[in-house]
Amino acid sequence: QKEVEQDPGPLSVPEGAIVSLNCTYSNSAFQYFMWYRQYSRKGPELLMYTYSSGNKEDGRFTAQVDKSSKYISLFIRDSQPSDSATYLCAMKGAGSYQLTFGKGTKLSVIP
Amino acid sequence: DAGVTQSPTHLIKTRGQQVTLRCSPKSGHDTVSWYQQALGQGPQFIFQYYEEEERQRGNFPDRFSGHQFPNYSSELNVNALLLGDSALYLCASSFGRSYNSPLHFGNGTRLTVT
Repeated sequence: QKEVEQDPGPLSVPEGAIVSLNCTYSNSAFQYFMWYRQYSRKGPELLMYTYSSGNKEDGRFTAQVDKSSKYISLFIRDSQPSDSATYLCAMKGAGSYQLTFGKGTKLSVIP
Repeated sequence: DAGVTQSPTHLIKTRGQQVTLRCSPKSGHDTVSWYQQALGQGPQFIFQYYEEEERQRGNFPDRFSGHQFPNYSSELNVNALLLGDSALYLCASSFGRSYNSPLHFGNGTRLTVT
């Protein structure tokens, strides 16, 4: 079993839809959770960084962490064609400098 | 404000050769991490350099080595290249004294081994 599982998609939605992206993990030592967006031929760009269980909101993006279920989510409201990219979840444990990434979910928002 | 810069952007090498990739961190950052991203996969941690020393290493063989210079820039060296080393190599910088400093990634070097 991989430490971090993420459905690679692809996921295709119409413009304006609410998008839900998810990751599950098996390592209970993970304490910090991140979502990165990666456009084609570019490096990953940090979108959200959370520590505790619960929700964190930033504009159209909401990150949710449920440590008891080992499940994290990213919601995108009012999705735009410019949101079309690969979304990577990442996490790390306390005392570690290593990020462990999911495989990424490729999202297409259709105008 | 310059972000993380990597060179070269693309590279083609032959099996058995050696390669050196370079990274300059974002202004104000002193820590550099290297990741390997195979096609269709998430990035995998190679190692992190802080204060010119390797602070943590992932599950990569000794063929992968690195260096950090006094100006915080870094090199990744890969010896005895294998076909499986073909990937996007990403450099990320952060502020080393802050444990939770987020990583800022460059756009990577695309390495093809033939």
